[in-house]
Parts: sequence; structure tokens; C-alpha cells
Amino acid sequence: QSVLTQPPSVSGAPGQRVTISCTGSSSNIGAQYAVHWYQHLPGTAPKLLIFENIHRPSGVPDRFSGSKSGISASLAISGLQSEDEADYYCQTYDSSLAGLIFGGGTKLTVL
Amino acid sequence: EVQLVESGGGLIQPGESLRLSCAASGLSVSSNYMNWVRQAPGKGLEWVSIFYSGGNTYYADSVKGRFTISRDNSNNTLYLQMNSLRAEDTAIYYCAAQSSGWYGEPLDIWGQGTMVTVSS
Repeated sequence: QSVLTQPPSVSGAPGQRVTISCTGSSSNIGAQYAVHWYQHLPGTAPKLLIFENIHRPSGVPDRFSGSKSGISASLAISGLQSEDEADYYCQTYDSSLAGLIFGGGTKLTVL
Repeated sequence: EVQLVESGGGLIQPGESLRLSCAASGLSVSSNYMNWVRQAPGKGLEWVSIFYSGGNTYYADSVKGRFTISRDNSNNTLYLQMNSLRAEDTAIYYCAAQSSGWYGEPLDIWGQGTMVTVSS
């Protein structure tokens, strides 16, 4: 069981908007450590999608956005496209564990 | 071009040892926070270990006492020595760097991974 809680799956039709939540605790997200989001396709290396809660690396479309409040963070994907089908992970640092932690991952299905 | 290339994976029996390598180009393993992350079949990403640029090392509880992370600055290579391997260590092992230089920063550079299968 992951320290960061994500829904196992979300789905949406092309063009719609979906959000993926990531809930932590006072020793990680609540301790003001930044949350990062990754997109992972089978057989490939994970790709950084959002860093430091809200920022997009160059090349990531502005359809992807991040937010953070309290002990939770969220990834929103608007204007869903078929190529967005992937697994999405949140990640941060945990001071109690003295290490990086990942959410359990959320599988996005574009209907 | 910045690149991380893992090697050393394979099929190994329970209880045996294996050493993974991560050769870096375009970045220095000694100047960055370097990590190992794994993904077991059908499971999510799991952080394994980190090597701070200053020399500190930390491990996930699941591998503590069995795995050792190290680096060779002259060869610009990161290693993961895995001892007493178990079936549950079966996974793709990724090398990943936090090029911003702090454990709170994102894993922004990833290798393609190397597969480790522990089975009799």
C-alpha cells in the first residue's frame, strides 16, 4: 500500500477533462515538499509531466496542469486525447521515511 | 545529449546477488542526486535508493540491508549491488537523476530500465 493515495483508474471521452488526486500526510505533501507528476507508458521510461506542484517542463502541453492544497495534490488533463492513455504517478519526499515516495498510480482510459 | 543507460539485469535465482550499472553521459553522477526506482510486473513505481551528491545514501525499507548503492566518479557510473535477492525483487530497475540537486526536486532524467527476474 502506497504512502500516497491515488485512484486506481479514471476515464473520459475525447475532449473531456479528468482529474487525478494524490493524498498524502503531514510528513510528505503536508510538510510542504513539492509534488511531481509522471506519465508512464508500458515499455518506456517515465516522463516528467508536472514539477513543483504546478510547473510544466518544456514540451508538455498546457492541457496538463497541477495543483496542491494541504495534504493533497491533483493533476488535471483537459481536452483528452487518445495518446493520453497511460499510467500517471504522483511523487514527493517523505521526511519520516527519509526517501522518495510514489503514489500507487492511476490508469487513464480514453473512451 | 543527457543520457542514462542501465545494464546488468537478467535471470537470477533466489538468494543470489546481482550488480546493476547506470552509465551517465551529459551529466555528472557525482554532482546530481541519483536514484534507483523499480516497477514490479503489474505494480506501480517504487523508489529503491538514493545517492546524494554529498555522499549520503538512503534506502527503501524493502531493500535496506540487502541492497547497496554506490558510484564511480571516474567512470561516471552509478551502481546498485543487490544481495539476497527474493522473488519480490523481480522488476524493471530504472536509474533516475534529480538534476536540480536536491531530494525534493523531480526525477527529470530517466534511463530505459533493465529487467531483473528472480526465479528458480
